[in-house]
Amino acid sequence: DGGITQSPKYLFRKEGQNVTLSCEQNLNHDAMYWYRQDPGQGLRLIYYSQIVNDFQKGDIAEGYSVSREKKESFPLTVTSAQKNPTAFYLCASSSEDRGNSPLHFGNGTRLTVT
Amino acid sequence: GNSVTQMEGPVTLSEEAFLTINCTYTATGYPSLFWYVQYPGEGLQLLLKATKADDKGSNKGFEATYRKETTSFHLEKGSVQVSDSAVYFCALRSSGNTPLVFGKGTRLSVIA
Repeated sequence: DGGITQSPKYLFRKEGQNVTLSCEQNLNHDAMYWYRQDPGQGLRLIYYSQIVNDFQKGDIAEGYSVSREKKESFPLTVTSAQKNPTAFYLCASSSEDRGNSPLHFGNGTRLTVT
Repeated sequence: GNSVTQMEGPVTLSEEAFLTINCTYTATGYPSLFWYVQYPGEGLQLLLKATKADDKGSNKGFEATYRKETTSFHLEKGSVQVSDSAVYFCALRSSGNTPLVFGKGTRLSVIA
């Protein structure tokens, strides 16, 4: 079955460490996205990529970095510069270059930094 | 810029009650509108969508109509079930592969 796989489901890190969240899709989608979800705040966009080897900052990119070396993969690194990294992180992808295409989401990674 | 405003929750209903979750938007041009649902511990699933004015999206008994004159896309269901308990997000997308803009979500709890 096609879909988006995020791993791991739960991740624990000590403060000051960088951590990388995995996102893989086998839907052959061009565009991929990272959102952060906090209670009461909805979803906020971190980074997105419309094509391989290119990506754009979203609304809250500070303290995060991404790469898009392959169409299928869009890993997110949470660096030690991110002040409040504990959150639920959602990866998504979409197919056509039209506004009516929905985003398909993975099941998320819950990151806890202590 | 584009934005979405949803009614604040939580919303608590008895089984078989009528549900309305209000959603209004601000956008340039003619965005596509979406409702997503999130069950505990999971990602978001597309519930329904509408791509132009007066379109009605529907799925699993849920409906929403794209009202350009009131810039609204309210979610309705005639008879909710306990299994509908989840967080519902309204979202819009302007064009191309631009990201979705989400509302803050509305938590629905349905009690038997």
